[in-house]
Amino acid sequence: DTAVSQTPKYLVTQMGNDKSIKCEQNLGHDTMYWYKQDSKKFLKIMFSYNNKELIINETVPNRFSPKSPDKAHLNLHINSLELGDSAVYFCASSPRQGWQWDQPQHFGDGTRLSIL
Amino acid sequence: DAKTTQPPSMDCAEGRAANLPCNHSTISGNEYVYWYRQIHSQGPQYIIHGLKNNETNEMASLIITEDRKSSTLILPHATLRDTAVYYCIVPLFGNEKLTFGTGTRLTIIP
Repeated sequence: DTAVSQTPKYLVTQMGNDKSIKCEQNLGHDTMYWYKQDSKKFLKIMFSYNNKELIINETVPNRFSPKSPDKAHLNLHINSLELGDSAVYFCASSPRQGWQWDQPQHFGDGTRLSIL
Repeated sequence: DAKTTQPPSMDCAEGRAANLPCNHSTISGNEYVYWYRQIHSQGPQYIIHGLKNNETNEMASLIITEDRKSSTLILPHATLRDTAVYYCIVPLFGNEKLTFGTGTRLTIIP
């Protein structure tokens, strides 16, 4: 069973479009995250949700809107896609809030977004 | 997060132990040291973490110096599937933010 699953795995779309990436975890974790890995392979946190409540918003443009319908899901909607949004987006989850609680994060395999 | 310094790349022969160093001289007393790896085209994978004592699990061992300013991740019998980028991370205590650096690209040589 896949612990953290993302769909779609690949997403190719035109500049200006609106798209969504879905994430689901079946681990019973309370906290979920979105990360972005750019072309230079730097991995940066974008958002963190704990029990459906936004905890971290790491200076991400308003075009990015996370939505958590329940604590097992954290979807990422992106409006007016730009060329610079091309990246790999990773979803992750952990049992409790923050790394200081001695609980590792579990990552999905990523969604590769390409903007034409 | 406490700043970490890792060598950009390392090679290791298959079957030998791979020792990956990490310096974290600004670490605070209540901050953990975490190790993750990212195999090509996959999401980051948790390996191990520790606070003060050495730790071992089915994947690796973590040796933390007594002053906690550095640590070493040990893969006891490296296989080709261990080829990946390895990240040493020391999250700031009480802060949600998590920072991945550039890591060490470990290549296992047949």
